[in-house]
Amino acid sequence: SYEVTQPLSVSVALGQTATITCEGDNIGSKHVHWYQQKPGQAPVLVIYKDNNRPSGIPDRFSGSNSGNTATLTISKVHGDEADYYCQVWDSSQVFFGGGTKLTVL
Amino acid sequence: EVHLLESGGGLVQPGGSLRLSCAASGFTFRDYAMTWVRQAPGKGLEWVSAISSGGAKTHYSDSVKGRFTISRDNPKSSLYLQLNSLRAEDTAVYFCAKANSSSSAFSYFDDWGQGTLVTVSS
Repeated sequence: SYEVTQPLSVSVALGQTATITCEGDNIGSKHVHWYQQKPGQAPVLVIYKDNNRPSGIPDRFSGSNSGNTATLTISKVHGDEADYYCQVWDSSQVFFGGGTKLTVL
Repeated sequence: EVHLLESGGGLVQPGGSLRLSCAASGFTFRDYAMTWVRQAPGKGLEWVSAISSGGAKTHYSDSVKGRFTISRDNPKSSLYLQLNSLRAEDTAVYFCAKANSSSSAFSYFDDWGQGTLVTVSS
């Protein structure tokens, strides 16, 4: 079983930059994908393969992945309050991080 | 536009069975792997199972292996999840999602349904 660890919560002031981490053993050797989930809604893919944005996702969303940490960065935060989950594949199974609640102050 | 509609959820007793369905439209279903992901009330996402585009390859989480079975009917554009030997900890909203490729491995999930609630309780 592959463990993926995210902070429970991240707070950021309106208009500032939010950084959400996803830690795992040598996670830099894997592709990491990120999902946004707002209350009562299905998850939405916001970053795939470490640093790629699906069509329709603002360029305020970006990602990186190296060593034991992958990072989702959201710049100029507004309307982005949600839970964020990272996802990886390992040993023929999918693993999600526990999720990070982003609060905009 | 991709549309995924889950159905089949409900209340079931511990030890019971249920079959979930996911009706897909808006894309060529037979060309894409599919997956099931669940979310217990107030908890995070938990991957359950995945199946390749042709159905030949399947993957399961350790928590459901041997109890759940994923399958698909490509002519009907439908995905299924058979849930057997259900436990209280299987209580969750079950989402179906489309993978980005035909392979069930190493994929990400670019479209999701709204989910169907399974409650396991006596």
